[in-house]
Amino acid sequence: DSGVTQTPKHLITATGQRVTLRCSPRSGDLSVYWYQQSLDQGLQFLIQYYNGEERAKGNILERFSAQQFPDLHSELNLSSLELGDSALYFCASSVGGVEEKLFFGSGTQLSVL
Amino acid sequence: GENVEQHPSTLSVQEGDSAVIKCTYSDSASNYFPWYKQELGKGPQLIIDIRSNVGEKKDQRIAVTLNKTAKHFSLHITETQPEDSAVYFCAAGPGNQFYFGTGTSLTVIP
Repeated sequence: DSGVTQTPKHLITATGQRVTLRCSPRSGDLSVYWYQQSLDQGLQFLIQYYNGEERAKGNILERFSAQQFPDLHSELNLSSLELGDSALYFCASSVGGVEEKLFFGSGTQLSVL
Repeated sequence: GENVEQHPSTLSVQEGDSAVIKCTYSDSASNYFPWYKQELGKGPQLIIDIRSNVGEKKDQRIAVTLNKTAKHFSLHITETQPEDSAVYFCAAGPGNQFYFGTGTSLTVIP
């Protein structure tokens, strides 16, 4: 158990809908990262937050947004969903903003029908 | 941005044999190279990492080598066991923003 909690584990929705994925980092970790894992794209870095502030942005679509709250949990919001957004979404956390050792949650499997 | 290539995509070895997975990267600014193991239904788990000022690092049956000049790094697993069966990902990047390879599915045959 990595100590990173992601909910829900599975999510099934329809095209055009909006969903929210939630992540609670390990106790004491200030950074949260979001990754998307699909069969054809592998693990793609989406975005990183450090202590409530956006720190780095990767291949995140404009339809996606994230935030980190004062209690350090994070939410990834996916809107106007398309079939191609179906993937496994991972959250990871680390101690500090430039601490490289990431601890991953078990992921949220999103299926867009 | 960084481009990480990983080979092979699948690898089958007999129990007790060694397994080697190779990765190349493109960005010379990358200075951190972790390896993650992902078991079915779980998130990736860090198994070993190496920084650019080190050429080799070993942890029991697992070792990683780095050739900065050639921009490639490798994972070596010796005396493989069935529990080593998983998908392995290499990654490279400058500090906290790193990019993953496409993964190697390792199967250890008892």
